[in-house]
Amino acid sequence: GDSVTQMEGPVTLSEEAFLTINCTYTATGYPSLFWYVQYPGEGLQLLLKATKADDKGSNKGFEATYRKETTSFHLEKGSVQVSDSAVYFCALPRNSGGYQKVTFGTGTKLQVIP
Amino acid sequence: DTAVSQTPKYLVTQMGNDKSIKCEQNLGHDTMYWYKQDSKKFLKIMFSYNNKELIINETVPNRFSPKSPDKAHLNLHINSLELGDSAVYFCASRLQVGTGELFFGEGSRLTVL
Repeated sequence: GDSVTQMEGPVTLSEEAFLTINCTYTATGYPSLFWYVQYPGEGLQLLLKATKADDKGSNKGFEATYRKETTSFHLEKGSVQVSDSAVYFCALPRNSGGYQKVTFGTGTKLQVIP
Repeated sequence: DTAVSQTPKYLVTQMGNDKSIKCEQNLGHDTMYWYKQDSKKFLKIMFSYNNKELIINETVPNRFSPKSPDKAHLNLHINSLELGDSAVYFCASRLQVGTGELFFGEGSRLTVL
């Protein structure tokens, strides 16, 4: 079945460090791919998305490129801030029987220290 | 205005009790979901409704019963609560068509003692 694998956390970085959170997927066809972020005490919110191969999603300084050849959608940010501390989820929405089901990765907790 | 709102935000109760969590969305979406997030932040889908019709029912104990009185509301009732039910329960909604972005509520933290 469809699945998403994320790197395990927690990831601890100093402010202004470079961030990469790995995400690979298994799916038939070419699904859209999403990154969601969950700030402490809040629900998940969409961070960025890509709907086809080679698309690059970007938002708030974060980027992720949909790479079909490596079935990956790694999240990157050039310079993290303390306010980026959160849990990040890679997600794979799939249509099943005409309805959509979203499979989430296990989440990667990021802690940015000043 | 809160797009997806859940009540209560916190719920502490004894084993064996019955409790409900309510969810309302004002986004005009036609599909709503319940997710369970455990202490390790793992998210698991429980149920989904589309226009008041149950469309996804994962392997969830039948002590959990969702109800959708209209497409803007999806409630979750849990009977005979067990320790393992302690978790954060998230309601989410989306449009049936389109890019598929999910909009989440802030979560309801259930603690069973």
